[in-house]
Amino acid sequence: NFMLTQPHSVSESPGKTVTISCTGSNGIIVRNYVQWYQQRPGSAPTTVIYEDKRRPSGVPDRFSGSIDGSSNSASLTISGLKTEDEADYYCQSFDGNNWVFGGGTKLTVL
Amino acid sequence: EVQLVESGGGLVQPGGSLRLSCAASGFIFSHYWMTWVRQAPGKGLEWVAHIKEDGSEKYYVDSVKGRFTISRDNAKNSLYLQMSSLRAEDTAVYYCMRDPWDWGQGNLVIVSS
Repeated sequence: NFMLTQPHSVSESPGKTVTISCTGSNGIIVRNYVQWYQQRPGSAPTTVIYEDKRRPSGVPDRFSGSIDGSSNSASLTISGLKTEDEADYYCQSFDGNNWVFGGGTKLTVL
Repeated sequence: EVQLVESGGGLVQPGGSLRLSCAASGFIFSHYWMTWVRQAPGKGLEWVAHIKEDGSEKYYVDSVKGRFTISRDNAKNSLYLQMSSLRAEDTAVYYCMRDPWDWGQGNLVIVSS
């Protein structure tokens, strides 16, 4: 079964840049779109990146997504970190007709 | 403004049934795939099922196949999840989603005796 692996946690200081990785268990990540979801404590998830690198309206351009085919991985980069960015982040892609989520990464901004 | 409002959750005994609903507004419902995602307490997100715009295709995570049924009523702008033979491990917040942008606020389902 296809799996997406994320680091359990990352931390960085306000104003800095952080990158969260999402590695696929096979080459499928470059053949299917990747989405990224943000979930603040006690809230529903929201979409911050879809189709690898597109931002929904209202998501600041501090959030960017990319794909690295050579490492079969996707990345979410957040620049100019703010305390409000502290949240869990999940990557998601597809395995045939099914969705697959990564295990989530807890971002601490301190 | 897009709104997705789930309802129908609550406490149910193991082996019981429950039907979740999701009322959609602010977009042309019949033009989009719709999805259910769940989150067990303290755990990550898990895809449950999704359904094509016209309801002609439906897909499920293996753990709910044969027990859950996703459906939609485009005339009522509504998405449903019929859950039967419920187990303790189905306890979760269930989110309705318009692929891939919008999420509902979630609805808690607790399976316990």
